[in-house]
Amino acid sequence: EVQLVQSGAEMKKPGESLKISCQGSGYNFPSHWVGWVRQMPGKGLEWMGIIYPADSDTRYSPSFQGQVTISVDKSITTAYLQWSSLKASDTAMYYCVSPYTSSWPGAFDIWGQGTMVTVSS
Amino acid sequence: QSALTQPASVSGSPGQSITISCTGTSSDVGGFNLVSWYQQHPGKAPKVIIYEDTKRPSGVSVRFSGSKSGNTASLTISGLQAEDEADYHCCSYAGSDTLVFGGGTKLTVL
Repeated sequence: EVQLVQSGAEMKKPGESLKISCQGSGYNFPSHWVGWVRQMPGKGLEWMGIIYPADSDTRYSPSFQGQVTISVDKSITTAYLQWSSLKASDTAMYYCVSPYTSSWPGAFDIWGQGTMVTVSS
Repeated sequence: QSALTQPASVSGSPGQSITISCTGTSSDVGGFNLVSWYQQHPGKAPKVIIYEDTKRPSGVSVRFSGSKSGNTASLTISGLQAEDEADYHCCSYAGSDTLVFGGGTKLTVL
């Protein structure tokens, strides 16, 4: 089964750093783009960026460029989303996604289960 | 890069048809055949139900259909069922390797 499995919920304080993960399984991980989507509480979806595991080619939404870092370790079929200094406004559910069937910039037909990040003092 | 415009909510009775609009610009919705629609039930991850404006993934009910006219894409659900009550999100390629989502629409089945 093709799936993306994300790391567990996180509770952090403002100013702390964080790296959440997304492990792919059941398919040739290096050959399929993996992206991240944010959903703030009670709000819509926002595309953050995407990475191609084979060569780490990365694209960012202008809204998130410089705010987060997307990376990958293809040897363990895992993609990451990282913050160096969290803000309360980073509180959200984060989904990893893949346009598995259509490739980039196709539709996201594979979704992880989501990682809830809560930032509060 | 602004979010696509969707109505905040729509409603319909079982058996009826409803349509959710998604309005963008010639730089996103109108410029590419790359609009997708996602269904999201409470507490769950979204699921793609329409891709490339009008195509339906295998396993998605034929009651769901997508269309587009100019800068506005639409999702139509026919024969409404209670299980269709969910949030619906549109998404479009916006050029320069970027995507943009709509604000989401809450569908209530009366």
